[in-house]
Amino acid sequence: AQKVTQAQTEISVVEKEDVTLDCVYETRDTTYYLFWYKQPPSGELVFLIRRNSFDEQNEISGRYSWNFQKSTSSFNFTITASQVVDSAVYFCALSEDRGSTLGRLYFGRGTQLTVWP
Amino acid sequence: GAVVSQHPSWVICKSGTSVKIECRSLDFQATTMFWYRQFPKQSLMLMATSNEGSKATYEQGVEKDKFLINHASLTLSTLTVTSAHPEDSSFYICSARTGAKNIQYFGAGTRLSVL
Repeated sequence: AQKVTQAQTEISVVEKEDVTLDCVYETRDTTYYLFWYKQPPSGELVFLIRRNSFDEQNEISGRYSWNFQKSTSSFNFTITASQVVDSAVYFCALSEDRGSTLGRLYFGRGTQLTVWP
Repeated sequence: GAVVSQHPSWVICKSGTSVKIECRSLDFQATTMFWYRQFPKQSLMLMATSNEGSKATYEQGVEKDKFLINHASLTLSTLTVTSAHPEDSSFYICSARTGAKNIQYFGAGTRLSVL
């Protein structure tokens, strides 16, 4: 069965601190995709990154970085030098490459990140 | 990134009326669109998967006669909440999937309040 676990329900940091959001997933498929989305208070989900199961290279985009480790089934997200505008709910999600459920996203419960000035 | 437009963003209606929500992919064609419901401080719950030109696939527990989905074109899917009741009040979000990259892009959501 597919499952995404975000154990951290809420995290609070002070501006300029680094923060890591954890994501652990379960799947029986060898081909799958992992995603991170940001949901600010306005409600819209903003796509941040997609990673396929065959690409374990870590990725950096500005202050954001992602650490994908298949050995531990984790896809963690780090924000460096956090800012108040980073305050949002962050969702990790899994998508499998099967015909019957192609494209369907399995979401974690989300982590509410609050960055204080 | 790709743009998905969802309208209206906010609607208040009386109990017993029907409400239609539109989801449009503005700069790409989406053969598959998804409809989600989100309760406060909770994750997204998939309601149904909508494929262009065919009937939607509903998740277990979602009433297809209550939540009518139409995906008439590659850029438009609609969700109609029929005979809405206060328990249908929620945040509804649509997404459209790009075929090539298998990425879902989301609309801004619709906040429905049924009085």
